[in-house]
Amino acid sequence: GQQVMQIPQYQHVQEGEDFTTYCNSSTTLSNIQWYKQRPGGHPVFLIQLVKSGEVKKQKRLTFQFGEAKKNSSLHITATQTTDVGTYFCAPDNQAGTALIFGKGTTLSVSS
Amino acid sequence: DGGITQSPKYLFRKEGQNVTLSCEQNLNHDAMYWYRQDPGQGLRLIYYSQIVNDFQKGDIAEGYSVSREKKESFPLTVTSAQKNPTAFYLCASSTRGPNTEAFFGQGTRLTVV
Repeated sequence: GQQVMQIPQYQHVQEGEDFTTYCNSSTTLSNIQWYKQRPGGHPVFLIQLVKSGEVKKQKRLTFQFGEAKKNSSLHITATQTTDVGTYFCAPDNQAGTALIFGKGTTLSVSS
Repeated sequence: DGGITQSPKYLFRKEGQNVTLSCEQNLNHDAMYWYRQDPGQGLRLIYYSQIVNDFQKGDIAEGYSVSREKKESFPLTVTSAQKNPTAFYLCASSTRGPNTEAFFGQGTRLTVV
């Protein structure tokens, strides 16, 4: 399966600060998905990006897919304690293949 | 309610024993997956199945076995050959097409002592 590098592995922020996690691939991706896993919970789908340069927003979360479709980012504006968890990217969800996940970025937020 | 159910949530076994983790879904999904999660390792794919009576090995299949006799069920057996079985196991399902999201169960935390 497609391998991606997620950075950083861990990030701690003060509540109200912004946060960004990156997902980088050495090859061109057909699409990329993002998932969030709360502590003690299971991953939950957030969004899928398909088009080059695509930007999607969900309230304080902004997702981008690079122009070359080799990288993606998730940006959270003004973090809240409810944002705590691990964010995973999953590239190249194609028919007949399994989803492969990046190692994730674990976000902690102090109030 | 539609969903994917894993049971039990916590499981303890003695070393050398095989143990089977249950995964059932009523989402009418063709595809089902098993992942293992260890701290700092993300989600690693153990096995997946795209259709009944067919399954493929993932990246870390050694020491595990699966069956897919029914569309809604994909049990995972952790055998005594698995050298380090203590982990959090997650089952997921999805439709077979591209660009589909995966739905995860609550997970089973297996501890082997």
